[in-house]
Amino acid sequence: DTAVSQTPKYLVTQMGNDKSIKCEQNLGHDTMYWYKQDSKKFLKIMFSYNNKELIINETVPNRFSPKSPDKAHLNLHINSLELGDSAVYFCASNQGSQVGSGNLGELFFGEGSRLTVL
Amino acid sequence: AQSVTQLDSQVPVFEEAPVELRCNYSSSVSVYLFWYVQYPNQGLQLLLKYLSGSTLVKGINGFEAEFNKSQTSFHLRKPSVHISDTAEYFCAVTVSGGYNKLIFGAGTRLAVHP
Repeated sequence: DTAVSQTPKYLVTQMGNDKSIKCEQNLGHDTMYWYKQDSKKFLKIMFSYNNKELIINETVPNRFSPKSPDKAHLNLHINSLELGDSAVYFCASNQGSQVGSGNLGELFFGEGSRLTVL
Repeated sequence: AQSVTQLDSQVPVFEEAPVELRCNYSSSVSVYLFWYVQYPNQGLQLLLKYLSGSTLVKGINGFEAEFNKSQTSFHLRKPSVHISDTAEYFCAVTVSGGYNKLIFGAGTRLAVHP
C-alpha cells in the first residue's frame, strides 16, 4: 500500500494547456509539500500545507495553484503551461509542521509526476 | 538564508571500494542536516539525519555521515559500496522553526562499477 501516491505518473501536454497533478498520503501526516525537480535534478520547494492551511509559498508563478481539500490530499493545478514547466513534480508529507515536533525533517516522498510540455 | 553545496556532481567508484560524498552548508543559525537517496525513477528516501548530539550519525544501508561545525560540512561515507548503491544522493538543510522547509543541494550521482 503506497504511502504517498501521485497521479498521473507521466503527463505530456501542449503549451498553453491547464493540467492538474494529484497527491494522496495514507500516513496520517499533517503536512504536505510540492517540490519541483528540474532536468539537472535540482530540487526546489514550491508549497507546503499543514492541516489544509498554506504555510510555505515560495516564489512560484501564480499560474501554479495548490489545493488541499483535506490533510491527506494536496493537488497542484497549473494554468497556461509553458516549456519551462517541464520537470518532475514530487509530493511529500511529514508529521508536524515545524522541526522540533513530530518526525524531525523526515519527508516521505511520492514517486514523482513527470510533466513534459511540448 | 541557508544553502547547500555538493562539491561533486558525479562520483564514479568500483564495487567494494570506499566512497565519500561531500556536502557543505551555509547558515547563520543552527542547522539540521540530512542525506536523502533517489534511486532511478523513484522518490527520495531518507538515509540519515543530524539533529543534535553525536556528530557521527549512522543511517541505512551502511552509510554514515559526520557533522563538522567548524568546517560547515556533513560528508557522507560508506566503507564498501555495492552496485545497488548507484543512485543520486542529496544533502539537505533546515533550521528550527523553519516549517520543515528543506533546502537541497544539487545532488551527487554515485555510479558504482563492477
